[in-house]
Amino acid sequence: NAGVTQTPKFRILKIGQSMTLQCTQDMNHNYMYWYRQDPGMGLKLIYYSVGAGITDKGEVPNGYNVSRSTTEDFPLRLELAAPSQTSVYFCASREGQVYEQYFGPGTRLTVT
Amino acid sequence: AQKITQTQPGMFVQEKEAVTLDCTYDTSDQSYGLFWYKQPSSGEMIFLIYQGSYDEQNATEGRYSLNFQKARKSANLVISASQLGDSAMYFCAMREGTGGFKTIFGAGTRLFVKA
Repeated sequence: NAGVTQTPKFRILKIGQSMTLQCTQDMNHNYMYWYRQDPGMGLKLIYYSVGAGITDKGEVPNGYNVSRSTTEDFPLRLELAAPSQTSVYFCASREGQVYEQYFGPGTRLTVT
Repeated sequence: AQKITQTQPGMFVQEKEAVTLDCTYDTSDQSYGLFWYKQPSSGEMIFLIYQGSYDEQNATEGRYSLNFQKARKSANLVISASQLGDSAMYFCAMREGTGGFKTIFGAGTRLFVKA
């Protein structure tokens, strides 16, 4: 079991560029999450999904989009990158009956 | 609005001693849950312990225990017999409601264990 995998590990974007952060889990979890962690801060929820085809906004969704076409994959799309989106992005998943979330290793994104 | 507060930005503890990391929360839900996660300097998020709002006993996992005081809305993490490897950021988090779809995190406490 690889658990939750994220690609890329690091990325530098120029202002206005777009990119997709990939997240895949092999645990057949229905629930998946995207968080961002700004320096010295806790995690803030961007988007979450309770199953394939179902997504919803979290605390800080502006500037991001998600899709969930399969149980395994939950990509996060950044359109028109801005310096305020410089952060570490974590993907996580969990089972329906267990509240513990399993986290990926994170993607460190810098927008300059 | 739901909120998690961790008032200790940094804590020091001597190796082999116990340490308590504070967490208070605010919610109007009757059903909720509280977590603690550890984030070492390598950056990954490691689940430590979970307490449901209806659990009568305080949760324990090895050297970690969660001191849950519902009336005071506090969920402090107690680490017994601290080890050098316990030096890390610790985050308190709360799931919302029965479905638990959303989880909110506190700002964290950085723990330094001294040899």
